[in-house]
Amino acid sequence: NAGVTQTPKFRILKIGQSMTLQCTQDMNHNYMYWYRQDPGMGLKLIYYSVGAGITDKGEVPNGYNVSRSTTEDFPLRLELAAPSQTSVYFCASSHGLAGGPEQYFGPGTRLTVT
Amino acid sequence: AQTVTQSQPEMSVQEAETVTLSCTYDTSENNYYLFWYKQPPSRQMILVIRQEAYKQQNATENRFSVNFQKAAKSFSLKISDSQLGDTAMYFCASGYGNKLVFGAGTILRVKS
Repeated sequence: NAGVTQTPKFRILKIGQSMTLQCTQDMNHNYMYWYRQDPGMGLKLIYYSVGAGITDKGEVPNGYNVSRSTTEDFPLRLELAAPSQTSVYFCASSHGLAGGPEQYFGPGTRLTVT
Repeated sequence: AQTVTQSQPEMSVQEAETVTLSCTYDTSENNYYLFWYKQPPSRQMILVIRQEAYKQQNATENRFSVNFQKAAKSFSLKISDSQLGDTAMYFCASGYGNKLVFGAGTILRVKS
């Protein structure tokens, strides 16, 4: 199993550009998450999904959009990139309630907006 | 709302010695989990250890063990026989339902 994979690993965007961060998991997990980690800080939840077709906002959703058309994929869309979105983005997945809430993380995407 | 506090921004330890990282949390839930994650310079988040709140016995995983004090809402991580590869940021997290709340992290440096 590859676990949770994310692409790209690095990206530089200009202010106002858009992009999609890709996330795929092969563990058949129902729950998927997007976090951002600013330098020297912990993780903040952007959006999460409890299953295909169901998404909900986390702590810092402004400036982002998500969709969940399949169990495996959970892309994060940045519209009109701003310098404040410079961060490292992590995707994660978990079994959910029955299997315990521990989350398994992808390797992260380092995004710089200039 | 759940909160997690890690009061030690940075710590260092000599190789082969023992170090304890502190974590306190606040929750009104009864059935919750607690976790320690390790983030080495590669940035990959690695689950180190988990503790179910309903279990009184402290969890252990090889050189890693926790001291879970439920009444005090304290969940510290002890690393025995520290190795250079333990150098990383360590995050404490509490989980209820389908979400985790993370602390701000403690940078641990293991010195040779």
